[in-house]
Amino acid sequence: EPEVTQTPSHQVTQMGQEVILRCVPISNHLYFYWYRQILGQKVEFLVSFYNNEISEKSEIFDDQFSVERPDGSNFTLKIRSTKLEDSAMYFCASRTRGGGELFFGEGSRLTVL
Amino acid sequence: RKEVEQDPGPFNVPEGATVAFNCTYSNSASQSFFWYRQDCRKEPKLLMSVYSSGNEDGRFTAQLNRASQYISLLIRDSKLSDSATYLCVVNKYGGSQGNLIFGKGTKLSVKP
Repeated sequence: EPEVTQTPSHQVTQMGQEVILRCVPISNHLYFYWYRQILGQKVEFLVSFYNNEISEKSEIFDDQFSVERPDGSNFTLKIRSTKLEDSAMYFCASRTRGGGELFFGEGSRLTVL
Repeated sequence: RKEVEQDPGPFNVPEGATVAFNCTYSNSASQSFFWYRQDCRKEPKLLMSVYSSGNEDGRFTAQLNRASQYISLLIRDSKLSDSATYLCVVNKYGGSQGNLIFGKGTKLSVKP
């Protein structure tokens, strides 16, 4: 069964460092998303991406965050200068069309020290 | 009022029990409603969409009351494998289809 894959599964970084989280969405999917979940909290929308541009972003997704689809398969989330409060599980998701089921990856756990 | 509100539980029930989860949402213009399941430290997985007419999938029944802005999930004959956190999810009004607002979840623990 096709799935969304994410790497790394866990990354530990120092405050102020740049982090790139990688995702390979399901191959025929067109819409891509990043969500995050701080431990013990709810899942929160960060950004959606379609047709090689950001279609929507939340207030969490500030100038420290960026997304990119550098080739036909990868979808990355970059955090330029990590803060302690960026520690969370980051989920990538994709869907084939508007209204279709959203498929989540297993997540990348980011720990900022 | 929180955008999506759920009883956090935990609900501790014996195998075979029927358990009901409730959820309220704040934006009356919301269009799409879902129940997701999340196992500990795992990704959310779609359990079922919720339609105005109510819908059933095996042991699971979902109901939507738009007037009360209330969503429910009923699990009949609960199994050990149903132990998880159940997330009530609403599509953000005016947002894209993938802009989902998650509740904090209700934890279910099914005991032998």
